[in-house]
Amino acid sequence: SQQGEEDPQALSIQEGENATMNCSYKTSINNLQWYRQNSGRGLVHLILIRSNEREKHSGRLRVTLDTSKKSSSLLITASRAADTASYFCATENSGGSNYKLTFGKGTLLTVNP
Amino acid sequence: DADVTQTPRNRITKTGKRIMLECSQTKGHDRMYWYRQDPGLGLRLIYYSFDVKDINKGEISDGYSVSRQAQAKFSLSLESAIPNQTALYFCATSGGGETQYFGPGTRLLVL
Repeated sequence: SQQGEEDPQALSIQEGENATMNCSYKTSINNLQWYRQNSGRGLVHLILIRSNEREKHSGRLRVTLDTSKKSSSLLITASRAADTASYFCATENSGGSNYKLTFGKGTLLTVNP
Repeated sequence: DADVTQTPRNRITKTGKRIMLECSQTKGHDRMYWYRQDPGLGLRLIYYSFDVKDINKGEISDGYSVSRQAQAKFSLSLESAIPNQTALYFCATSGGGETQYFGPGTRLLVL
């Protein structure tokens, strides 16, 4: 079953705007990761945030984690047309097998030039 | 050269046929995974292996089998393909950390 659920399913913005995607999950986690997928291609890891962390930055990416609400958000600042892709959150659940990820259904981001 | 390769990249087969999808990696990782992706459903784990002698079923293993021939190779077989196995299949690896590295995918169509 799906652990993470991204919201919105699709997002369309103009170049230069910020994009925010949300992920909710159901069970306790060790970490939460965000991946990017260009159309029909393999996923690429973007950022990992551990359960004891609340915020992480990497370049134009900012990820927050609220374990009390079982939710995370991915913010892409100053978006570019090249950011157009699907974005997936994935959780490594605690209490189960480590190093196994459960993916959400993804958010399709379109950045218009 | 790509670190994680998958062959074939595209495959069309008929119902009832046996097919094998292959994955090779040059990253030296012990952990390897097979996922399938269907439109609107994200990725679902089929099988995973934490070393050559370790094979584990994932969320949707029925109708699939795997073989870990070596640290670098992990194959996925469909013993008797059916149309609802039409999907995009991904192999992934991970090493010392939790991050997974994905291959380019195999697009499979079962007629």
